[in-house]
This record gives sequence, structure tokens and C-alpha cells, in this order.
Amino acid sequence: GAVVSQHPSRVICKSGTSVKIECRSLDFQATTMFWYRQFPKQSLMLMATSNEGSKATYEQGVEKDKFLINHASLTLSTLTVTSAHPEDSSFYICSAKFRGSTDTQYFGPGTRLTVL
Amino acid sequence: QKEVEQDPGPLSVPEGAIVSLNCTYSNSAFQYFMWYRQYSRKGPELLMYTYSSGNKEDGRFTAQVDKSSKYISLFIRDSQPSDSATYLCAMSGGGGGSNYKLTFGKGTLLTVNP
Repeated sequence: GAVVSQHPSRVICKSGTSVKIECRSLDFQATTMFWYRQFPKQSLMLMATSNEGSKATYEQGVEKDKFLINHASLTLSTLTVTSAHPEDSSFYICSAKFRGSTDTQYFGPGTRLTVL
Repeated sequence: QKEVEQDPGPLSVPEGAIVSLNCTYSNSAFQYFMWYRQYSRKGPELLMYTYSSGNKEDGRFTAQVDKSSKYISLFIRDSQPSDSATYLCAMSGGGGGSNYKLTFGKGTLLTVNP
């Protein structure tokens, strides 16, 4: 149980374009979803937290207009990287928790974004 | 001082060895402690979850929490090449608000050699 999927697993795009990444909880209702960014050989950096039907809460230093997060349902959250640039190239990982799971988060497999 | 300290390794052991991975933390508000395993280019996978001090065992894995020393450990018995991965400790304060956010260690890269 507690399976989280992400799509796509890998995406390559041109500089200036926008990219949407989907995160789905497959067998539970995710009351809260999280978006992380991970650079090579580094730990996860939390970008934002989103609750279903509410605006996302962004961590300090994360541009909300650049990283648009939508949590439209209890099983789906999307991250849109707008006007992507090469410095946005990274590994993006979502996670989810459900009511009653205390603080345990279940992670998706990640999306590798490469901006040319 | 960082909130969570974890030796990044790398740690290399022979197959069958007992592996000990550790994290120390400074925030006494942390109540929940987790260990995640992350294979290269994959998302973290939850291995163990503990609350309060004590030991918890699951198969070859044992998680240990000593809140008085602010020290947590993960032991892997009879290590296998398939255990080769980065192990991340994570912890949170519980209690709602922003306390549910996870604070991660940097991760320890483990290689188990056949």
C-alpha cells in the first residue's frame, strides 16, 4: 500500500518552455502532498507543501510564480515549471501523506528534468 | 549546527556484514523518526518508522532511537548487494502546523560488495 506515482519519469525540454509533472497517490487519499528538489549527491530540498483544495505553501527562496503547484483532488498534485531554464534542471520528487499516517511521507519515483 | 547530522560516507562493506548507520540531531522537539532507502535516480522508499525511544525490528533491519542522546541508528544484518543505496534519516516534530515537515540528513551512501 501507500504507492505514489509520478509522470513523466524523465523530460527534456528547450529553454523557455513550461513543463508539467504529475504526482498521484494510487491507493490512498493524500491530504497533503510535498514537492522536493534533489541535486546530485545531495539530500532532498523541500520546495512546497500543498493541501487538497488550498494554495500551496512555498519554502523560503522558492519562486511561487515559477513553480506552480495545483492540488486539485485528494489523489493528484501537479508541479508546473514555467519558462524553464538550464538551472532548473534537477530531480523533482513528490511525496504524500494521508490522514492518520502521522508524519510519514510516501515518495514517488521522481522526475528528471533536463532543460537545454 | 545543522538540525540533523549524518555521515555521508561512502561506506563499503562485504556481503554478510552488519551495517550501522547513524544520525544525530539537535532539535528536542523531534518525535517521529524515519529511515528511507534511495536507490540511484529513484525516489526514497520508507524502510522504518519509529516514535519515541527504543528499538524496532523488521526482518534484517533494526531502528534504534535514543532521545536522551538525540541519536538514532539503523542496523542492517546479513547485508546484501541489493542493500547498496543511499540511506536517509528523517525526523519531524508531529503535532500539526509545520511540525509535520520532515528534516532529512544528507544521506549515507552504502555499498555492499559481493
